[in-house]
Amino acid sequence: KQEVTQIPAALSVPEGENLVLNCSFTDSAIYNLQWFRQDPGKGLTSLLLIQSSQREQTSGRLNASLDKSSGRSTLYIAASQPGDSATYLCAVGGYQKVTFGTGTKLQVIP
Amino acid sequence: EAGVAQSPRYKIIEKRQSVAFWCNPISGHATLYWYQQILGQGPKLLIQFQNNGVVDDSQLPKDRFSAERLKGVDSTLKIQPAKLEDSAVYLCASSQLKGLAGIHEQFFGPGTRLTVL
Repeated sequence: KQEVTQIPAALSVPEGENLVLNCSFTDSAIYNLQWFRQDPGKGLTSLLLIQSSQREQTSGRLNASLDKSSGRSTLYIAASQPGDSATYLCAVGGYQKVTFGTGTKLQVIP
Repeated sequence: EAGVAQSPRYKIIEKRQSVAFWCNPISGHATLYWYQQILGQGPKLLIQFQNNGVVDDSQLPKDRFSAERLKGVDSTLKIQPAKLEDSAVYLCASSQLKGLAGIHEQFFGPGTRLTVL
């Protein structure tokens, strides 16, 4: 059974700082890993999807990496802004099954 | 491209009442998911459809929850009777298989916030 862990559960940083969010998973037999953002009271917005054959994906100030052998993914946010404040979730895609982590709640302080 | 639509956005009911949620996935997406998200937790998969067939409903409390996806498009999730612990956000997502790599990129609707009093 796949288990996905996100540490820390909450993070507070000053505006402009670069930061890294972590996602760990127990079963390396995955098809893809997807990072989402969730604002309070809203649904999930897809940020990046990394296929199992890829090492990283980039979109603007976001960079996600994947190391299947160690069961880890990181989401790097450059030059953080108050608008980045949200909960970030990773989801690991296996054969016909997606497992979510519990998320990291990020607060960027102006 | 229109996103995943859900209704209602909010619902307040008393315990033992019934409630139904509706989801319209992105056009052409064969896979549809219903998740339950309790405050402070990650989404928990309740049921996954491939077209109108069920792929995974192992975490669906079948004594009170039911879901259907007629004609492989829209889906409804029903709770009957509701309990206090069913208070949560119910998220619908859809995906389409990308290539031969077995990859499903999920897209989520805004969710329905259910409060059971």
